Amino acid sequence: DAKTTQPTSMDCAEGRAANLPCNHSTISGNEYVYWYRQIHSQGPQYIIHGLKNNETNEMASLIITEDRKSSTLILPHATLRDTAVYYCIVRVGGYGKLTFGQGTILTVHP
Amino acid sequence: GAVVSQHPSRVICKSGTSVKIECRSLDFQATTMFWYRQFPKQSLMLMATSNEGSKATYEQGVEKDKFLINHASLTLSTLTVTSAHPEDSSFYICSATGTGGTSISNQPQHFGDGTRLSIL
Repeated sequence: DAKTTQPTSMDCAEGRAANLPCNHSTISGNEYVYWYRQIHSQGPQYIIHGLKNNETNEMASLIITEDRKSSTLILPHATLRDTAVYYCIVRVGGYGKLTFGQGTILTVHP
Repeated sequence: GAVVSQHPSRVICKSGTSVKIECRSLDFQATTMFWYRQFPKQSLMLMATSNEGSKATYEQGVEKDKFLINHASLTLSTLTVTSAHPEDSSFYICSATGTGGTSISNQPQHFGDGTRLSIL
């Protein structure tokens, strides 16, 4: 499994963009990068995923470097409700299971 | 969007009893469902993977006779904690992956809201 490294915690001001980095230097060519978040006492919520190209949806943008060894999740206008633990996960190819690390605790403050 | 429903959301029971947790995919067919466990201030740990109509695959260290998993249909998987003890108290979360797509690697998992199990 390709492992990921994320900062333990980050702060962000409400209304500003939150940029969450993730390193996955051992990622294989057929492995996708997934982002989930978990708000306290709830199940994880899927945010976005990508393989090579940058991706955007209604929740966030995902920027993957050309060598695929790192990525950044961007929440363009963070709100207090975005306070959560954010997990960057590289999906094991052909099997589907997700391996959760410790994630990044994002705190959005007024 | 894809919705996964988990029931019950919370259960408190006496030591020695068995507890069944249901996981349903409401608007898609889930060929594969996953069961996780999360202790306080820790990350999610995968317990087992279940495929519809076949036996579940358990992760190393997870007792298959204690955590019984049944995935009898494309929309329902159940986890039964047998003879539960206080150390089994935890947050149990299921997830499901649907059919379709070119590769299972490309299918996001959708999670239920979890079941908080407390054994007295």
